[in-house]
Amino acid sequence: KQEVTQIPAALSVPEGENLVLNCSFTDSAIYNLQWFRQDPGKGLTSLLLIQSSQREQTSGRLNASLDKSSGRSTLYIAASQPGDSATYLCAVCTDSWGKLQFGAGTQVVVTP
Amino acid sequence: DAMVIQNPRYQVTQFGKPVTMSCSQTLNHNVMYWYQQKSSQAPKLLFHYYDKDFNNEADTPDNFQSRRPNTSFCFLDIRSPGLGDAAMYLCATSWPNQPQHFGDGTRLSIL
Repeated sequence: KQEVTQIPAALSVPEGENLVLNCSFTDSAIYNLQWFRQDPGKGLTSLLLIQSSQREQTSGRLNASLDKSSGRSTLYIAASQPGDSATYLCAVCTDSWGKLQFGAGTQVVVTP
Repeated sequence: DAMVIQNPRYQVTQFGKPVTMSCSQTLNHNVMYWYQQKSSQAPKLLFHYYDKDFNNEADTPDNFQSRRPNTSFCFLDIRSPGLGDAAMYLCATSWPNQPQHFGDGTRLSIL
């Protein structure tokens, strides 16, 4: 059974520092890996999707890497801002139609 | 803007009293999903539709049912809510193997 783990559960950094968020999964047979952002009391916003054949994906200040063989993905957020404060969740896609198995998330606080 | 809209945003019901929540989408995606998310936990998939084909997760309680009358709309029914069903219910849509688009959720409280 696929298990997705995100460590640490919470992280606080001063504004301007780079953020590094980790995600690990137990089964390398995935279709893709997705990173989401969730603000308090809101739904999830898709940030990046990395297909299983890709090694990384970039969007603006965000960069996500994928190492299927070791079961790891890392989300880098450059030059963090207070507006980046949120919970970040990773999820692996385990079926061709799109079933996602989520991690519990990392809660990030960026202090001014 | 194209989006996923869930109603109501907040719902309060009594123990055992049925509830229904809705999800509508303007993205014309063929896959729709319902997730349950409890506080500080990962979203848990309850079921999904691939077009009109309904797929139930093995551990989704029988208490939970869903309807998808057309491509744009989907409903989640909880027949006899228990205290353990208090959670945020999230609807999402996508094309297969593409990013999922989420609504803002319905927060359910049980008295």
